[in-house]
Amino acid sequence: AQSVTQPDIHITVSEGASLELRCNYSYGATPYLFWYVQSPGQGLQLLLKYFSGDTLVQGIKGFEAEFKRSQSSFNLRKPSVHWSDAAEYFCAVAPRSNDYKLSFGAGTTVTVRA
Amino acid sequence: DTGVSQDPRHKITKRGQNVTFRCDPISEHNRLYWYRQTLGQGPEFLTYFQNEAQLEKSRLLSDRFSAERPKGSFSTLEIQRTEQGDSAMYLCASSSSKIVNEQFFGPGTRLTVL
Repeated sequence: AQSVTQPDIHITVSEGASLELRCNYSYGATPYLFWYVQSPGQGLQLLLKYFSGDTLVQGIKGFEAEFKRSQSSFNLRKPSVHWSDAAEYFCAVAPRSNDYKLSFGAGTTVTVRA
Repeated sequence: DTGVSQDPRHKITKRGQNVTFRCDPISEHNRLYWYRQTLGQGPEFLTYFQNEAQLEKSRLLSDRFSAERPKGSFSTLEIQRTEQGDSAMYLCASSSSKIVNEQFFGPGTRLTVL
């Protein structure tokens, strides 16, 4: 069955420290890959996406993600977090045959401590 | 244009009542999506429109749910005979078919069924 897994429900990180959020997917073929962020009271905002090409993708707000085909992973990273990065992060995938149909992981909540 | 808007932002209703939500997409976007998000989960795909045509409905969308996009602009999602299990955040998103699946989300409508 097709699935998206975010193994970490909650991560706490100190301001200025690095952050890595994990995402694994199970699909027949490499899907389109996305990371979204959701802040309280805000809509989901697209951070970055991977369709093809360079496996290291740069996004907004200083985030990047690396696609690893051999591990079926698309992990999100940020070298130095800011207090404003506290939010819920969702990995999402869409099959290339039906690219409109996003499937989301359960999300990872990030808490930033001073 | 300020993005995808949804109305109302919050709705409290009693079990058995009908409710209707509205979504106004980004004006030049021809694709529109509805998702449902329950606590602690990622959004789940409900349905998808291209212009005024509803092209796919998830099996999550029971007979009590109906969505329309009559003129290919705004959309409505109606839930008839609401049940407590319908309590969730209902998210709307839109995108342009010219840009592969970059969906922009609204802030959502939070439904509470008492």
